[in-house]
Amino acid sequence: SQQGEEDPQALSIQEGENATMNCSYKTSINNLQWYRQNSGRGLVHLILIRSNEREKHSGRLRVTLDTSKKSSSLLITASRAADTASYFCATDSSASKIIFGSGTRLSIRP
Amino acid sequence: EAQVTQNPRYLITVTGKKLTVTCSQNMNHEYMSWYRQDPGLGLRQIYYSMNVEVTDKGDVPEGYKVSRKEKRNFPLILESPSPNQTSLYFCASSRKFDRVAGSYEQYFGPGTRLTVT
Repeated sequence: SQQGEEDPQALSIQEGENATMNCSYKTSINNLQWYRQNSGRGLVHLILIRSNEREKHSGRLRVTLDTSKKSSSLLITASRAADTASYFCATDSSASKIIFGSGTRLSIRP
Repeated sequence: EAQVTQNPRYLITVTGKKLTVTCSQNMNHEYMSWYRQDPGLGLRQIYYSMNVEVTDKGDVPEGYKVSRKEKRNFPLILESPSPNQTSLYFCASSRKFDRVAGSYEQYFGPGTRLTVT
């Protein structure tokens, strides 16, 4: 069963603007991770936020986690052409499984 | 260089012909996992392994087998491939999966694009 669902499915913004993607999940989690995938290639880890954390930063990335709403958001500030990719959230459960959402396709217009 | 390797990268085969996709990591990671990626469905976990000789089913294990005889290798076996197993497959590894703290950063292989006719 799909645990994480990203919103929107696709997002197109102008270079320099901020991009926000959201992830919702259904059951309690230990951690939530965000990954980036350039077309057809392997995923690259961006950031991990634990269930007892509310916000985390890494460079131009800001991730928030609201466990009461079972949701997370990924903010990319000052977007660049190289940020064009698909972004996935992944959650883990006590069963040691990792479940990915269906992803957000981000396009940065020059 | 720390990496996860998969072979082959591309494979076209026919229904029923057994195949194995190899996966190897050089980071001494305990947790390894196989995923398939299909359009609109994201990545779905097929099998995972907490450590050597410990494997368990993910969300879509039907039609697949795995083994973990050595820490570095985690092959995916399709005993009798069918067209619905046509997909992009990824192997991934991470330091471990802690029962209390949960998951860690995963490192992904480059993917294997499988077509079953």
